[in-house]
Amino acid sequence: QVQLVQSGAEVKKPGSSVKVSCKASGGTFSSYFISWVRQAPGQGLEWMGGVIPIFGTTYYAQKFQGRVTIITDESTSTAYMELSSLRSEDTAFYYCATGPYSNSWYGKRAENFQNWGQGTLVTVSS
Amino acid sequence: DIQMTQSPSSLSASVGDRVTITCRASQTISRYLNWYQQKPGKAPNLLIYAASSLQSGVPSRFSGSGSGTDFTLTISSLQLEDFATYYCQQSYNTPPTFGQGTWVEIK
Repeated sequence: QVQLVQSGAEVKKPGSSVKVSCKASGGTFSSYFISWVRQAPGQGLEWMGGVIPIFGTTYYAQKFQGRVTIITDESTSTAYMELSSLRSEDTAFYYCATGPYSNSWYGKRAENFQNWGQGTLVTVSS
Repeated sequence: DIQMTQSPSSLSASVGDRVTITCRASQTISRYLNWYQQKPGKAPNLLIYAASSLQSGVPSRFSGSGSGTDFTLTISSLQLEDFATYYCQQSYNTPPTFGQGTWVEIK
């Protein structure tokens, strides 16, 4: 069972960037599909992107393309999500999640999100 | 993107009730459908994967069915700890997308 521990809450100004970390333990970090999912207060869940460290491939939702960067540090079993050009609508809880992957016609698919971090609240306010 | 639509958006039920939540995909997704439970202030928790497989550690009162575009989550006998929001999610295409959620509250 993989445990995921995320970095603490952040308060950012509009136009700035935020970088959230997600440290994994108890599993084989490189062989999972690691995703980032966000949830605005009182709203639903939205997938932002993901990475499979063993292949070095990243996938981003079109909505966030150009604004989000997901990287991993296998030496510390840590994944990072950086979101730039922040606006008030980016105020949300940001979760990392891991799970198995499989092959699809477009590449690798994240089969499901088995393990979740505790979430990181990012508040964007002037 | 594949749109996922859940119904109802909310429901009131009593302990012991049988509860059914439906999820419809905007195109066929075979059985690439997962269900999650989320309690206030907590991360979601995987209940059902691949439409009908029970995740390890999840009580057997939870079950899932369906294929193609129409899916169902059933709680056979609602318990106090089941009052939460439930989300379906498709993993057929990227991006993975979620339903809007179904809030199950105490009657």
